[in-house]
Amino acid sequence: QKEVEQDPGPLSVPEGAIVSLNCTYSNSAFQYFMWYRQYSRKGPELLMYTYSSGNKEDGRFTAQVDKSSKYISLFIRDSQPSDSATYLCAMSAQTGANNLFFGTGTRLTVIP
Amino acid sequence: EPEVTQTPSHQVTQMGQEVILRCVPISNHLYFYWYRQILGQKVEFLVSFYNNEISEKSEIFDDQFSVERPDGSNFTLKIRSTKLEDSAMYFCASTSGGQGNYGYTFGSGTRLTVV
Repeated sequence: QKEVEQDPGPLSVPEGAIVSLNCTYSNSAFQYFMWYRQYSRKGPELLMYTYSSGNKEDGRFTAQVDKSSKYISLFIRDSQPSDSATYLCAMSAQTGANNLFFGTGTRLTVIP
Repeated sequence: EPEVTQTPSHQVTQMGQEVILRCVPISNHLYFYWYRQILGQKVEFLVSFYNNEISEKSEIFDDQFSVERPDGSNFTLKIRSTKLEDSAMYFCASTSGGQGNYGYTFGSGTRLTVV
């Protein structure tokens, strides 16, 4: 049983579009949810993190968590060519010692 | 902004050789991790380290792997006898782990190629 599932894409959108990225998960113990951006051959860079259910907004990025559906989303408004990267969802049951479970990543290309 | 620093950025080694990957976590962080990413695959957890001891490890982290924090700033991953399938990007990460702070910071990675 896969812990975290994420559509690998690739996803291509025109500049200025709204992008929706999603992950589903199976472990109801997950409470901390993160989105990372990863450029080719670089380390994951933390974009957003949320605890439990709800929304969080940071500039053009909005993260949503629906624990009842075991579904998380990342929305990117007014997408820019510089947003082109692989987006990874990650989650854990608790902060600190527990490891992160990652999705496969969705490769996004924003076309100028 | 504080960074996690990893060296070397790329290491090529012959099968059966020992390698040591080095990391300098963010100075006030308390929890340290190694992850790896085989080309085209998921980022996978290897080991977590807290209070100078391993707190959790995955099935991947067998007897060929070891971690150490030798001097209070560096955090190393040793692979004793490398195999071809150890070829991957290895990422070090750290977090303070405090209340309300669960942002893991990753380094840029070491690309290990075993030939």
